[in-house]
Amino acid sequence: GAGVSQSPSNKVTEKGKDVELRCDPISGHTALYWYRQSLGQGLEFLIYFQGNSAPDKSGLPSDRFSAERTGGSVSTLTIQRTQQEDSAVYLCASSFWGDANEKLFFGSGTQLSVL
Amino acid sequence: AQTVTQSQPEMSVQEAETVTLSCTYDTSESDYYLFWYKQPPSRQMILVIRQEAYKQQNATENRFSVNFQKAAKSFSLKISDSQLGDAAMYFCAYLTSGTYKYIFGTGTRLKVLA
Repeated sequence: GAGVSQSPSNKVTEKGKDVELRCDPISGHTALYWYRQSLGQGLEFLIYFQGNSAPDKSGLPSDRFSAERTGGSVSTLTIQRTQQEDSAVYLCASSFWGDANEKLFFGSGTQLSVL
Repeated sequence: AQTVTQSQPEMSVQEAETVTLSCTYDTSESDYYLFWYKQPPSRQMILVIRQEAYKQQNATENRFSVNFQKAAKSFSLKISDSQLGDAAMYFCAYLTSGTYKYIFGTGTRLKVLA
């Protein structure tokens, strides 16, 4: 596609349910990031994928959070047993090499609301 | 650990006027990059401007320019001739050279008044 695509755009769920958030990066981009944006907070790094290397999961806040990237393309962020504090905008970004000389291309995010 | 601070949660500017958004950062590294990203209501962040720390010359992109003060660890964004379309959240970000983990500030919401 022409840009980074995220789905769903908005997700409302009940506390305790599992949710899956999807990110479809720009074709050919090897680097993919997930960030969490909470109200009044900056972007919080969650996880980074680069090619076939092991992902950097150091930003995942708990073991309820996991992410995978299939075939070096589409990525899914899964939150199990959602809690109200998980409510936030989840942003995905990609770039060709993950090099600072490039710019990040962001999706429009998924607004997650946990009731 | 590196940190990025944006001390202005919200700013307003009259259309066609100039506004400056502040950003300070803390790092012990000498080689790094600084960025300003714009997030409009669509939530899709876009890069406004980038500065390499080794460059003394301030970056400019049309109506957007930065005032990079390396010793003071300050990286402010100046928007000239503000337009209604400039209304957005602006995030300052830092990246150590050779790494990939961007550090973002908490953002400044810019309102442009007609």
